[in-house]
Amino acid sequence: NAGVTQTPKFQVLKTGQSMTLQCAQDMNHNSMYWYRQDPGMGLRLIYYSASEGTTDKGEVPNGYNVSRLNKREFSLRLESAAPSQTSVYFCASSGGLNYGYTFGSGTRLTVV
Amino acid sequence: GQQLNQSPQSMFIQEGEDVSMNCTSSSIFNTWLWYKQDPGEGPVLLIALYKAGELTSNGRLTAQFGITRKDSFLNISASIPSDVGIYFCAGFTTSGTYKYIFGTGTRLKVLA
Repeated sequence: NAGVTQTPKFQVLKTGQSMTLQCAQDMNHNSMYWYRQDPGMGLRLIYYSASEGTTDKGEVPNGYNVSRLNKREFSLRLESAAPSQTSVYFCASSGGLNYGYTFGSGTRLTVV
Repeated sequence: GQQLNQSPQSMFIQEGEDVSMNCTSSSIFNTWLWYKQDPGEGPVLLIALYKAGELTSNGRLTAQFGITRKDSFLNISASIPSDVGIYFCAGFTTSGTYKYIFGTGTRLKVLA
């Protein structure tokens, strides 16, 4: 039971570089989400995908793009990284009866 | 964006003590959830509440859905060192606009 798997776990980027954060879930959930977590800011929603083939902006989408590749996979892309995007990124999925989200273990991204 | 207010923001307690924290909102929610985030991991669902006034337990944890539907409470009895972490509340509703909002978190540190 892997749940939600995120890769990589750690990444350092230079300003202007691009990268894609990968996320996959094996629970057959319809909905998937990308959050960022900053000290004192809690969890802020970047993008979400209510079902395969759909994506929508969350609270802080600027500077990011997403792809819902199939039901299992939802990736987050930073086209031109900025120091303000230094954060911990969490992928989550939902689809159970209790409305709970299952989170991955996070990607710690530093942009220098 | 909207976030739920959690209180206290952080707390240090002695092992064996009981802990109380709460979450308040200006909006009504149909479901309240509580998550715990261990250091270096993603949040994990602890308890979900579906009805105003509902009181639900999970081991040493007890959570309540406030009567006004604008707040929720979490109690931890006889704290142990592994209770350390960040506790997040979340409010969920599909009435009108879909909303799933996380609180700002309560950081708990337990002194042995």
